[in-house]
Amino acid sequence: EAGVTQFPSHSVIEKGQTVTLRCDPISGHDNLYWYRRVMGKEIKFLLHFVKESKQDESGMPNNRFLAERTGGTYSTLKVQPAELEDSGVYFCASSQDLGIGFEGYTFGSGTRLTVV
Amino acid sequence: AQSVTQLDSQVPVFEEAPVELRCNYSSSVSVYLFWYVQYPNQGLQLLLKYLSGSTLVKGINGFEAEFNKSQTSFHLRKPSVHISDTAEYFCAVSGWAAGNKLTFGGGTRVLVKP
Repeated sequence: EAGVTQFPSHSVIEKGQTVTLRCDPISGHDNLYWYRRVMGKEIKFLLHFVKESKQDESGMPNNRFLAERTGGTYSTLKVQPAELEDSGVYFCASSQDLGIGFEGYTFGSGTRLTVV
Repeated sequence: AQSVTQLDSQVPVFEEAPVELRCNYSSSVSVYLFWYVQYPNQGLQLLLKYLSGSTLVKGINGFEAEFNKSQTSFHLRKPSVHISDTAEYFCAVSGWAAGNKLTFGGGTRVLVKP
């Protein structure tokens, strides 16, 4: 079974530019999550998709961040325009629904974003 | 609301010595508990998880953790560490109360010395 795949693994962009991160979840996982770790701090939740719908976007820092999951498959996270404080590692994870059959969360390897 | 506290931000330990990483959580309802490890310049890897059943959970690489509901703890242990265990370890909790999402602790950096 393929795992959670994230593209790109690294991205260096200039302040003010736009970057789009992509996450391909495990096939059949309706739940997709984005997390971020900034400057060695805690890993923070950004948002949660159930299929193509945003279930919880309470962790999105501001309106420069836009997440989509068209068709309920892969997801993209766009940062526009990027600021210095957006630098960090962005993780994606997927899971089944909680309850019977739930086996936990599988994380991708992350995208390391550096804004200069 | 859920929260996770990892009581030690850094733990230095000598090779072949035991290690315990402490994790306490707060949640008003049933939870699922996880330990993840992040090796330098790598992603998050699942070490072990508690979903239900036996409170003693065994994971990969010789790690184990014990779920203690009365103390709301999920401490991680390994009886004998290797240099390769040098990494950052994260405790995390999820459950119905938080709508599926994981809440992470602040992480514990383990440095194994020869």
